[in-house]
Amino acid sequence: SQTIHQWPATLVQPVGSPLSLECTVEGTSNPNLYWYRQAAGRGLQLLFYSVGIGQISSEVPQNLSASRPQDRQFILSSKKLLLSDSGFYLCAWSVTSGSSYEQYFGPGTRLTVT
Amino acid sequence: AQTVTQSQPEMSVQEAETVTLSCTYDTSENNYYLFWYKQPPSRQMILVIRQEAYKQQNATENRFSVNFQKAAKSFSLKISDSQLGDTAMYFCAFIYSNSGYALNFGKGTSLLVTP
Repeated sequence: SQTIHQWPATLVQPVGSPLSLECTVEGTSNPNLYWYRQAAGRGLQLLFYSVGIGQISSEVPQNLSASRPQDRQFILSSKKLLLSDSGFYLCAWSVTSGSSYEQYFGPGTRLTVT
Repeated sequence: AQTVTQSQPEMSVQEAETVTLSCTYDTSENNYYLFWYKQPPSRQMILVIRQEAYKQQNATENRFSVNFQKAAKSFSLKISDSQLGDTAMYFCAFIYSNSGYALNFGKGTSLLVTP
């Protein structure tokens, strides 16, 4: 069966510090991978998606970046965090073969920028 | 632009009763997919139900069913025999086919099931 991991679960970082959030998927090959952010009391906003190794598409221009160094690894980074980067970050995966498009989410990372 | 609108920020229902959450969307595509996701206090996103736009039959998963009105671009979720464990945020979502099939979410409805 497929599983998705995210770490860390919780992170408190000062403004201006770097960020690295990691997401890994097990039990599937060549998944589509996604990073979403959920601000307090709001819906999910797509940040990045990847359809293959080294292929990253950004939906929202900002100080965040993403990388996919391996097929089932997706990393969200920042060189200098802003207060507005606080939120709940969710990684998700999906396959688009056949008619199945549902996404499966990791447990999330709660980021607080102080 | 493709948008998803959930007009009910909060709802409450008594245990064992039925509740309907509304969702409307706007798209120019003809083939697409719609989803309802549940986010309990643990914040884990859980898929509740899925609907393919080319299927006229409404999807059903146990106590959860949808009323899909393609012409009206409406996709409501009905929860029957509500249980305390149904308390959660519910998000309606639309497949964003030109963004790697990423999900485009509504802002959510907070559902509280009371004893």
